[in-house]
Amino acid sequence: SAVISQKPSRDICQRGTSLTIQCQVDSQVTMMFWYRQQPGQSLTLIATANQGSEATYESGFVIDKFPISRPNLTFSTLTVSNMSPEDSSIYLCSVARGGSNTGELFFGEGSRLTVL
Amino acid sequence: DAKTTQPTSMDCAEGRAANLPCNHSTISGNEYVYWYRQIHSQGPQYIIHGLKNNETNEMASLIITEDRKSSTLILPHATLRDTAVYYCIVRPWMDSSYKLIFGSGTRLLVRP
Repeated sequence: SAVISQKPSRDICQRGTSLTIQCQVDSQVTMMFWYRQQPGQSLTLIATANQGSEATYESGFVIDKFPISRPNLTFSTLTVSNMSPEDSSIYLCSVARGGSNTGELFFGEGSRLTVL
Repeated sequence: DAKTTQPTSMDCAEGRAANLPCNHSTISGNEYVYWYRQIHSQGPQYIIHGLKNNETNEMASLIITEDRKSSTLILPHATLRDTAVYYCIVRPWMDSSYKLIFGSGTRLLVRP
């Protein structure tokens, strides 16, 4: 398994501001992902965080709005830029270990963001 | 487009078996069926996965039809703590990206 810590666990932000969410894993992992879960909805993949290079974004998500960093194999950040109320969601960090015999993803508890 | 279809919600009595169906009629030969669940206010949790054979672990059993177009997740003795949203996902095993694309899932309510 993998222990994933996300900070902050929740925050209330003003429209137009930006917030950076941190994801720390207790051991080195191959893949790191960021998901968004809007109220009452399923999870939507935002991007794959690539170590030492630009993240790979899914359709509908752009780097200017959701810049991502991954400086090493245990840490990543997601910034939600120029926030609007529509960005109110839970943002989840997820990781995978290469070579796993299950191919499973492990998820953090999420960061609940409310934009006023 | 969603690759799986699940009922929006189900319920079962505590102590009874919960059988959650999933339709994946367009599944490819190299795609596995994965099940995850998300308990309220938590991140999703892996339950089980399979290719074509039935699988069982300490959490659940997975029954995949012979044509692989549908599957059923079985929680043999549901408890109140099994109340959650259950996601059925298909993904290529050799997909080095490891990423998961979630559908809408089934909201399971276990009644006392």
